[in-house]
Amino acid sequence: DVKVTQSSRYLVKRTGEKVFLECVQDMDHENMFWYRQDPGLGLRLIYFSYDVKMKEKGDIPEGYSVSREKKERFSLILESASTNQTSMYLCASTDRTYEQYFGPGTRLTVT
Amino acid sequence: QQQVKQSPQSLIVQKGGIPIINCAYENTAFDYFPWYQQFPGKGPALLIAIRPDVSEKKEGRFTISFNKSAKQFSLHIMDSQPGDSATYFCAAALIMNRDDKIIFGKGTRLHILP
Repeated sequence: DVKVTQSSRYLVKRTGEKVFLECVQDMDHENMFWYRQDPGLGLRLIYFSYDVKMKEKGDIPEGYSVSREKKERFSLILESASTNQTSMYLCASTDRTYEQYFGPGTRLTVT
Repeated sequence: QQQVKQSPQSLIVQKGGIPIINCAYENTAFDYFPWYQQFPGKGPALLIAIRPDVSEKKEGRFTISFNKSAKQFSLHIMDSQPGDSATYFCAAALIMNRDDKIIFGKGTRLHILP
């Protein structure tokens, strides 16, 4: 079974803090994705990566950056957290974009 | 157009009923249409998918109906159970080797009453 794990299930941070969300997959997938999920807005793509050290902007990259130093690990970074970044963050991995395997999510609250 | 429009946003059905979730797309280049199911506290998981060369696909109690000319597809759940209560996302994808794209609908929160 494909396993995608995320470093935290729940996270509370203060405005202005730097936040790291980590995602690890164990299936040697090339492609990894970060989404945020908000009620009524569905899944919105933040960043994705097709290879180590490679990254591409998704639909809502502003305020975020990513890092992929190893194939199995994809990190999402909030350089200076703001309250409008309070959300559920979902990581996914896949060999083919259309069949994605999601992690359990990190619910981030920024106060 | 890259949007996938999903309706309704929420749905309540009695146990044993047949909830129907509808999706519409505009880009005729899409060639793969998956549905994802998400239970509370979990990430979405692939449930069932269809390609545009067939009009219907069944897996257990879940059926996708596909209307290529209308650019619409829908998910039906037969004999629905409270355990089917979840959020469902439709999606449309382009399969282009390393440039695969996937667009998700905004999701439908389904609640099956016992």
